[in-house]
Amino acid sequence: DAGITQSPRHKVTETGTPVTLRCHQTENHRYMYWYRQDPGHGLRLIHYSYGVKDTDKGEVSDGYSVSRSKTEDFLLTLESATSSQTSVYFCAISDPPETENTGELFFGEGSRLTVL
Amino acid sequence: AQSVAQPEDQVNVAEGNPLTVKCTYSVSGNPYLFWYVQYPNRGLQFLLKYITGDNLVKGSYGFEAEFNKSQTSFHLKKPSALVSDSALYFCAVSSPGVTGGGNKLTFGTGTQLKVEL
Repeated sequence: DAGITQSPRHKVTETGTPVTLRCHQTENHRYMYWYRQDPGHGLRLIHYSYGVKDTDKGEVSDGYSVSRSKTEDFLLTLESATSSQTSVYFCAISDPPETENTGELFFGEGSRLTVL
Repeated sequence: AQSVAQPEDQVNVAEGNPLTVKCTYSVSGNPYLFWYVQYPNRGLQFLLKYITGDNLVKGSYGFEAEFNKSQTSFHLKKPSALVSDSALYFCAVSSPGVTGGGNKLTFGTGTQLKVEL
């Protein structure tokens, strides 16, 4: 696997509590992404980052915020978790889209979040 | 908006037989098309992609896919399936013309491939 570490790998929390998931990479890739995977929906993009402090929303960004203060770390925060945010969350990294590697994302192992 | 349809939730095939996993797409502008594979409790892995050029693209583990512009399809194929090919397969699309460009992938819902002896 590419040098991507997600933490925690498993978390159970209660509705209304804040949750932060961390993605750490050792590959020095500029682009980082957060996806959620749900049965019947495939993977849906939450937020992505194209550089330090540069982030943009994906298709399912409501209820989520992100931060990227350094190249290697991309944090996903649920300010007040809801049961609908129970999911498996994947971080991914890539080269910029204008390179020959466009669209080739490297994924982490996933973080399973359960909101009770 | 861009979208991908994978019409089959599951495909069953006998080992040694050819396999096809179907994918159709919708996108404004030129499509970039991808196949990814996911093994249990793992992240997705890139298999192959079509950006431009030859409509038949070859990827990892003997897989190939054919881009058909008139049918807006990008079906994944393999001439002879192995039990070890059993996994969840995702088709994805992006377009250089949108914000985020070729890296802003929209995934299908996935097709579970089961290869049996």
